[in-house]
Amino acid sequence: AQTVTQSQPEMSVQEAETVTLSCTYDTSESDYYLFWYKQPPSRQMILVIRQEAYKQQNATENRFSVNFQKAAKSFSLKISDSQLGDAAMYFCAYRSLMSGNNLFFGTGTRLTVIP
Amino acid sequence: DARVTQTPRHKVTEMGQEVTMRCQPILGHNTVFWYRQTMMQGLELLAYFRNRAPLDDSGMPKDRFSAEMPDATLATLKIQPSEPRDSAVYFCASGLDYEQYFGPGTRLTVT
Repeated sequence: AQTVTQSQPEMSVQEAETVTLSCTYDTSESDYYLFWYKQPPSRQMILVIRQEAYKQQNATENRFSVNFQKAAKSFSLKISDSQLGDAAMYFCAYRSLMSGNNLFFGTGTRLTVIP
Repeated sequence: DARVTQTPRHKVTEMGQEVTMRCQPILGHNTVFWYRQTMMQGLELLAYFRNRAPLDDSGMPKDRFSAEMPDATLATLKIQPSEPRDSAVYFCASGLDYEQYFGPGTRLTVT
């Protein structure tokens, strides 16, 4: 089974600064999707960004971008110009193209934004 | 603004009681997922459906959990009998292709 590892249980960033959240995964597959989800205190799981493994170009969504290193099986999330509303739990997730549609989640990183 | 809806949002029940959680997926989505989130286990898949057919329910304790999709607009997750260890947040998600969109979750407390 695929495993997703987030080695940083907690991170903090000063408002307006940049922070990078780490994620590594283990798979023998060559095609798959990777996602970052945000879970604020409301508990709602919000899709932040996705990356298709066959694409070499790193995905970007406004202030959020990823650094996808396929060979290293690394998928980090960079948040630029951090805002107070970015404070949340962030989950990295893997989805296989071969074995079902379900997501395998990491354990999450709690991000605190300091005013 | 299409969203996945879940009811109830909160449920407190006594051990041994039946609990039914409901989910309305986004119209047009062909896959529906049930996840459970706990502090100890994190987010784990319980079951998922494609075109209303159950494809994987290996994450569910079969003796007490059941999941169904009576029609395309309703998915249910039932626990009978409930136990304190079932206390968790239960998420429904629906999707089309490779993305999944989550509902707000049902926070279940079993005393």
